[in-house]
Amino acid sequence: EIVLTQSPEFKSVAPQEKVTITCRASQSISNSLHWYQQKPDQSPKLLIKHASQSFSGVPSRFSGSGSGTHFTLTISSLEPEDAATYFCHQTSTFPYTFGQGTKLEIK
Amino acid sequence: EEHLLESGGTLIQPGGSLTLSCRASGFTFSTYAMGWVRQAPGKGLEWVSTISTGAINTYYSDSAKGRFLISRDSSSNTLSLQMNNVRVEDTAKYYCAKASEDFWNGYIFDSWGLGTLVTVSS
Repeated sequence: EIVLTQSPEFKSVAPQEKVTITCRASQSISNSLHWYQQKPDQSPKLLIKHASQSFSGVPSRFSGSGSGTHFTLTISSLEPEDAATYFCHQTSTFPYTFGQGTKLEIK
Repeated sequence: EEHLLESGGTLIQPGGSLTLSCRASGFTFSTYAMGWVRQAPGKGLEWVSTISTGAINTYYSDSAKGRFLISRDSSSNTLSLQMNNVRVEDTAKYYCAKASEDFWNGYIFDSWGLGTLVTVSS
């Protein structure tokens, strides 16, 4: 099973600041890494697929990069509505797995 | 607009069986793979199962293998998850999700329902 480890697990950031969340895979997964945003009491929403492709309708401040075992999600200028938990997810190999999540708080 | 509506969640005793359903609308159900992801209270996301178009292939997490059965019915645009011999650790909100792409590119969940809660307790 491929283990995805996110860091940090919690981050508190002021509006308009830049945020970077990291996801590391226990083995190479090429670019089969996707990012989701989950707000409290809501279902997850796809932000980025294949490491760097923005999903339809996602604000341009969200971007992704990486390949192999190291991936990052960047929010270029934080908005209050970005308060949420962010998960990375790999679809390289079954069983599919998720990272443990990064909770982002807005100061 | 794509819409996924789960149902069937309930309070059930350990060892019991139940079936979750997901009614899909707003897209051509038969042309997309589908899946289930669960989330225990206050915890992260856990992939449970995926079914390909035409139900040709099914995939399960280790915890679901041998106990859960995923199926789909294109005549009613419904995805199902039959859960047998449930355990306390199966307690979670179960999300139905539509998957884009394919086995080689990865089944990526791009649309999710609101979830249905399964509580396993004696």
